[in-house]
Amino acid sequence: GAVVSQHPSWVICKSGTSVKIECRSLDFQATTMFWYRQFPKQSLMLMATSNEGSKATYEQGVEKDKFLINHASLTLSTLTVTSAHPEDSSFYICSALNRDRGPYEQFFGPGTRLTVL
Amino acid sequence: AQKVTQAQTEISVVEKEDVTLDCVYETRDTTYYLFWYKQPPSGELVFLIRRNSFDEQNEISGRYSWNFQKSTSSFNFTITASQVVDSAVYFCALSGEGLDRGSTLGRLYFGRGTQLTVWP
Repeated sequence: GAVVSQHPSWVICKSGTSVKIECRSLDFQATTMFWYRQFPKQSLMLMATSNEGSKATYEQGVEKDKFLINHASLTLSTLTVTSAHPEDSSFYICSALNRDRGPYEQFFGPGTRLTVL
Repeated sequence: AQKVTQAQTEISVVEKEDVTLDCVYETRDTTYYLFWYKQPPSGELVFLIRRNSFDEQNEISGRYSWNFQKSTSSFNFTITASQVVDSAVYFCALSGEGLDRGSTLGRLYFGRGTQLTVWP
């Protein structure tokens, strides 16, 4: 199979705190992972592309210093929302490319629901 | 640039009706893949189908069928005899080989989604 997990599945935090979300590929190596954000009743918006061992590529309009992405191993990428504010409340989804299944085979995590009070 | 358009924002049907979700795409890549995903209220994306640009055969899987037409750049999804459990948001997505300007190999471009509600 090709399973991607995310932790935590939901988190509630106070404004000003930082939150780390983990994305793991459980049974394959993922050289590339993607981070998406989804607001209610909207589509998935790509935030950044994370490549193992290198800096993430952020989409236009996404603040690099606010959304820190680290892809330190072939099975783990993390997204840290620094100094979170209520407007950062959203559903965050990661996905991982399984190159063994071709460059188009992307597997999604179950998502993390972030609520900032 | 890659683009996916799902013109239908919301569709409501009564159980057992057939329903078709439209998807139109734009790309200059010659090799690309089209996808459909289902997102139930839990939020987790459920993969439904992947179709490559060289395979225009229609596909049927149980009550689901897909109609890929390169001539009209469309990849429509039909649910036959809909059920309440089909209620969800459905996303069409495109992934290209990365040659189209501004695209990235492996990156998915999503439509805005169609909310399907099936009433009992």
